[in-house]
Amino acid sequence: GDSVTQMEGPVTLSEEAFLTINCTYTATGYPSLFWYVQYPGEGLQLLLKATKADDKGSNKGFEATYRKETTSFHLEKGSVQVSDSAVYFCALSGGGTSYGKLTFGQGTILTVHP
Amino acid sequence: GAVVSQHPSWVICKSGTSVKIECRSLDFQATTMFWYRQFPKQSLMLMATSNEGSKATYEQGVEKDKFLINHASLTLSTLTVTSAHPEDSSFYICSADELMSSYNEQFFGPGTRLTVL
Repeated sequence: GDSVTQMEGPVTLSEEAFLTINCTYTATGYPSLFWYVQYPGEGLQLLLKATKADDKGSNKGFEATYRKETTSFHLEKGSVQVSDSAVYFCALSGGGTSYGKLTFGQGTILTVHP
Repeated sequence: GAVVSQHPSWVICKSGTSVKIECRSLDFQATTMFWYRQFPKQSLMLMATSNEGSKATYEQGVEKDKFLINHASLTLSTLTVTSAHPEDSSFYICSADELMSSYNEQFFGPGTRLTVL
């Protein structure tokens, strides 16, 4: 079945540091890929998405590129802020009988210090 | 736009009682609503998929008689945890798939914390 693997956390960075959170996936067909963010006390919010190979999703300074050859969708940000502290989830939505269903990675806790 | 609410946000109940959790899409119609369970420091686990007016589809290992799902309208789905026990204590999250969305974006509720004593 479909699966998503994220780098283990937690990740602790200083403000303005570079962020990478690795995400790799296993899926049949051509899944859509997502990054969701969960701020403390809030629900998950879609951060960015990519629906086909080589697509780059971007939002709020975050970027991720759909790499079919390496089955990866790593999240990057050039300069993190304290307000980026949250839990980040990589997810995929597969095709076929899994259409519309999201499979999540285990989540990565990011803490950014001033 | 695209706001999903859940009620209650937290609930404490005694073992053996039933608890109902509501999930509402406030400003859009949802063809499909999903129910997830999130354990501490773990990922979200899909429990079931519900479509308005039809029976929910449960994931493998999820007891459909334990977790009753009703999707009465395009804006409301309910999850009832029947005869709750301490092992049912968890964070339950719903999401809704917007009717007019072309790429199946799901909008998530803030979650409901259930504690069974």
